[in-house]
Amino acid sequence: DIQMTQSPSSLSASVGDRVTITCRASQSIASYLNWYQQKPGKAPKLLIYVASSLQNGVPSRFSGSESGTDFTLTISGLQPEDFATYFCQQSYSSPFTFGPGTKVDIK
Amino acid sequence: EVQLLESGGGLVQPGGSLRLSCAASEFTFSSSAMSWVRQAPGKGLEWVSTISGSVETTYYADSVKGRFAISRDNSENTLYLQMNNLRAEDTALYYCVREVGGYCTPTSCHGIWFDPWGQGTLVIVSS
Repeated sequence: DIQMTQSPSSLSASVGDRVTITCRASQSIASYLNWYQQKPGKAPKLLIYVASSLQNGVPSRFSGSESGTDFTLTISGLQPEDFATYFCQQSYSSPFTFGPGTKVDIK
Repeated sequence: EVQLLESGGGLVQPGGSLRLSCAASEFTFSSSAMSWVRQAPGKGLEWVSTISGSVETTYYADSVKGRFAISRDNSENTLYLQMNNLRAEDTALYYCVREVGGYCTPTSCHGIWFDPWGQGTLVIVSS
């Protein structure tokens, strides 16, 4: 199975900060990497698909990039509604695996 | 707006069975691959199973293979997950999700993403 790791596991940031979350795959997954946001008590929500494509309706402050087996989610100008947990997920092959999550909270 | 509404969760004893349902609306259900993803309390996300749209090929995580069965009724726009021989480690919130993009082969789907997600139905396996 393809293992996904995320760093950091948590971070504290202020409104307006630029936040970067990294996800690493244990093998090549091409660009088949998706990002989800989950708020407490809510279902995950798709943010980015295929590494860098922004889902309809998601603010443009969210962006995704890739370099080999490393993938990055960037939030440019953190907003109050962005405090949540973020998960990456590979869809190169099943079993589709998720990263353990990165919790973003208020500094 | 695409909607997915799960039901059927509850408390069940180890070794018991449960069937989850997911009612879909506002999209062409019959041509969409659908999946179940679960989340144990306070834990991360685990893909459980997928069923493709047209030919209804099924795929399972090793942790549930042989115990769970995914199926669909395209006439009722409903997805199911039959869960047998349940274990304590199956305790989780089970989400119904639509797969978008990519493609499926007899052994796996590739390049897909999950959107949207239902609100989830809670399964607790405990004596």
